[in-house]
Amino acid sequence: NAGVTQTPKFQVLKTGQSMTLQCAQDMNHEYMSWYRQDPGMGLRLIHYSVGAGITDQGEVPNGYNVSRSTTEDFPLRLLSAAPSQTSVYFCASSRDFSTSSPLHFGNGTRLTVT
Amino acid sequence: AQTVTQSQPEMSVQEAETVTLSCTYDTSESDYYLFWYKQPPSRQMILVIRQEAYKQQNATENRFSVNFQKAAKSFSLKISDSQLGDAAMYFCAYRSTLYGGATNKLIFGTGTLLAVQP
Repeated sequence: NAGVTQTPKFQVLKTGQSMTLQCAQDMNHEYMSWYRQDPGMGLRLIHYSVGAGITDQGEVPNGYNVSRSTTEDFPLRLLSAAPSQTSVYFCASSRDFSTSSPLHFGNGTRLTVT
Repeated sequence: AQTVTQSQPEMSVQEAETVTLSCTYDTSESDYYLFWYKQPPSRQMILVIRQEAYKQQNATENRFSVNFQKAAKSFSLKISDSQLGDAAMYFCAYRSTLYGGATNKLIFGTGTLLAVQP
């Protein structure tokens, strides 16, 4: 059971480039989400999805797009990378969106934008 | 809006001793969940322990236990018999039980970096 898989583990981008961070889970979880982790700020919610075809914004959505075409995958797209998006990104999923379902985290992607 | 505060950026403990990490939070809700996550150098976020606000009994998981003081909005983590593998960043997090919006959203504190001395 792989759990939540994020790729790549590390990425360096130049300002203005685009890329997609991949997230896949094999637990048939309905709920998936993306967080970013910055020094001194904990983790903050970027976008989330409560099921295939349904996405919504979190606290810090600007500069990011998401889609959920399948239950398993929830990619995060940066259309035009900016240095302010240098961060560690975590994908997390849970069985459903009830608050009793624990979140399972991927191992993170460290992104540097120069 | 809810906030979570961890006032100890760094802590240190000797191997086999006990250490307590502090966390306070602010909310107007009466029911919610509180969590402690461990993040070792591998970056993985590992759930250590969780507490449901309506349960008065403090949660325990092996060497990890919490002191949940609802009226004081305090949720500290005690690690007993500290081991070298406990060295990590520890995050306190809050989750509302209200349905709707970014349900299941975790609100994190800024973390406490725990060092374990041999």
